[in-house]
Amino acid sequence: GAVVSQHPSRVICKSGTSVKIECRSLDFQATTMFWYRQFPKQSLMLMATSNEGSKATYEQGVEKDKFLINHASLTLSTLTVTSAHPEDSSFYICSARRDSYGTDTQYFGPGTRLTVL
Amino acid sequence: QKEVEQDPGPLSVPEGAIVSLNCTYSNSAFQYFMWYRQYSRKGPELLMYTYSSGNKEDGRFTAQVDKSSKYISLFIRDSQPSDSATYLCAMSYGGSNYKLTFGKGTLLTVNP
Repeated sequence: GAVVSQHPSRVICKSGTSVKIECRSLDFQATTMFWYRQFPKQSLMLMATSNEGSKATYEQGVEKDKFLINHASLTLSTLTVTSAHPEDSSFYICSARRDSYGTDTQYFGPGTRLTVL
Repeated sequence: QKEVEQDPGPLSVPEGAIVSLNCTYSNSAFQYFMWYRQYSRKGPELLMYTYSSGNKEDGRFTAQVDKSSKYISLFIRDSQPSDSATYLCAMSYGGSNYKLTFGKGTLLTVNP
């Protein structure tokens, strides 16, 4: 199956600092990646769609200046949480779209747990 | 009415039982249907992918899609304690719109 990695898996930071999360598709090229946020016992909430070489598309209510997304290559997208605050603490998950062999779906990374103190 | 409805459970079954998980949806434009398994504090793992009505089998898992009824199911045979997880149904419109719309997820516990 397709493999997507995320780094770091867990991060604890002080309020006001910025945190960068990397998402990599390891065995396929992904022109499109997605960033989700998940609160405990809830489903995934799509934050933004990241397209290689172009600006990300953010979902309604997601602050693009707070959650900076860069998709510089076909295998790497990054999410930077700027000036993080405790309310940004959450589980962030990326996915990469794979469109090949008659399948068009998303493969997810293992997630990053962010705790802002 | 939500686009995708999924009973959140929790669902508790004994080891070896057949598990049936279901989702209904309201928009007939959905073309692709998926089931993901998510263990606690992990990312979702793709279990099954289908794009037409009918059944698709993979080992102990069978995915069923009934587009006329807007209803999808996942069956797990001979359930194991390792199957204990949250199961999410997801679907997409296909074409240029490949965002996934998720159900809320069903928490399954298989008791040894």
